[in-house]
Parts: sequence; C-alpha cells; structure tokens
Amino acid sequence: QVQLQESGPGLVKSSETLSLTCGVSGYSISSGYYWGWIRQPPGKGLEWIGNIYKSGSTSYNPSLKSRVTISLDTSKNQFSLRLSSVTAADTAVYYCARQATKYSSHFDYWGQGTLVTVSS
Amino acid sequence: QSALTQPASVSGSPGQSLTISCTGTTDYNYVSWYQQHPGKAPKLIIYDVINRPSGISNRFSGSQSGNTASLTISGLQTEDEADYYCSSYASSSSLVVFGGGTKLTVL
Repeated sequence: QVQLQESGPGLVKSSETLSLTCGVSGYSISSGYYWGWIRQPPGKGLEWIGNIYKSGSTSYNPSLKSRVTISLDTSKNQFSLRLSSVTAADTAVYYCARQATKYSSHFDYWGQGTLVTVSS
Repeated sequence: QSALTQPASVSGSPGQSLTISCTGTTDYNYVSWYQQHPGKAPKLIIYDVINRPSGISNRFSGSQSGNTASLTISGLQTEDEADYYCSSYASSSSLVVFGGGTKLTVL
C-alpha cells in the first residue's frame, strides 16, 4: 500500500520560505512515477504546483515557477517543496501526490495534506 | 479563473442519477475526476476520461463529447455528498489544471 505523508512547519512568516517534505512508504520513488505537489487555499479549489521525476527532472506551474523548487532524496524515499517569498495568498493546505505520468492529471495516491498559514 | 469550467453546485435525491460537466477540455489531455469530502484529501475516481481505479464503485462513470467531459453518478447515495473536481493536462501551457469544483448535495 503506497502511503504519502507531508511534514513541515504549519506557520511561515510573510516574505520567508515555505519548506515541506513528503515521505513515501510502500513504493520506492527511484522506481518511477512522478511526484507532485498540489495546494488548496481554505474554501477554494485545487492548484497544481509542480512535480519531479526520479531523474530529478522537474515541471512547475508557470504562475509559481519563479518561487518554487521541488527536490528529491531517494536515500530517504522522500521529496520536498520550497516556496520562496510567501505571502498570505500562499496560505493553503498542501498535498503531495503520486502522478501517473508527466503529461497527465492522474494522481492516484495522496497525502492527508498539511495546512500552512502565512502570517504577517 | 480555471480554464476548466464546472457548475458550482448540483443536487439530487438518493437513488437518482446526475451528471457533472467540465467544459473546456478540447485542448487538454485525458480528463480525471476527484471526489473530496470535507477535511479530506481528494480521491481519484476517474482517470483518462473513462477509467475507474480499483475499488471505485461502478456507480461512477466518465465520458467526453467535444469540449465537455462529464462525470455521471448513478444510484445516488448520501455518502456521495462531496466536492468533485475535474482535471487535465494542458499541453499548450505545460501544466495540470483543475476545474473550480462542484459541490454535490444529496437531498
């Protein structure tokens, strides 16, 4: 059974960098698939942030590209998200998920999500 | 504003069938659908327009005609009350897009 679990600070100050990690169990991220991040502001819809492949190749949402970095650590079977220069608009529940292929919207396994609040 | 348009809300009675539309899919590849209960992560219920993941009830079905994808739920049950999102990959802009979501109320 594939399981994903987000971890990281629940409160980040405005203008600082948000950092989250997604631990994966039940599947080796070095075996394949793409590993992505999606966020959901309170009461709003879903927004794709980006993904990473086992090779380290990344794809990012153009609207966030200048502030986002996704990386992976195969030795720990986890991948991470860094979002710089955060503002209140970045307050959201952040989900990590397994993405079937690079050119699909097929996310078959999700973490439970973690709320990150940006404070001024 | 999402490039995939969904109705904000739909409602139905137990046992009925209903359809949720997702318009604007012509330029996108292989629509997926997600069900999200309050406080929970989204759950994949349809992928590649018509396919159900293992363990998903056959009461959920997907289709596409022209630039509109549709999710049909038959034999509506109270536990189907949730938010539903369509999604697709936009090859022209190289990103995954989600519809704005539809709140399903079971009366």
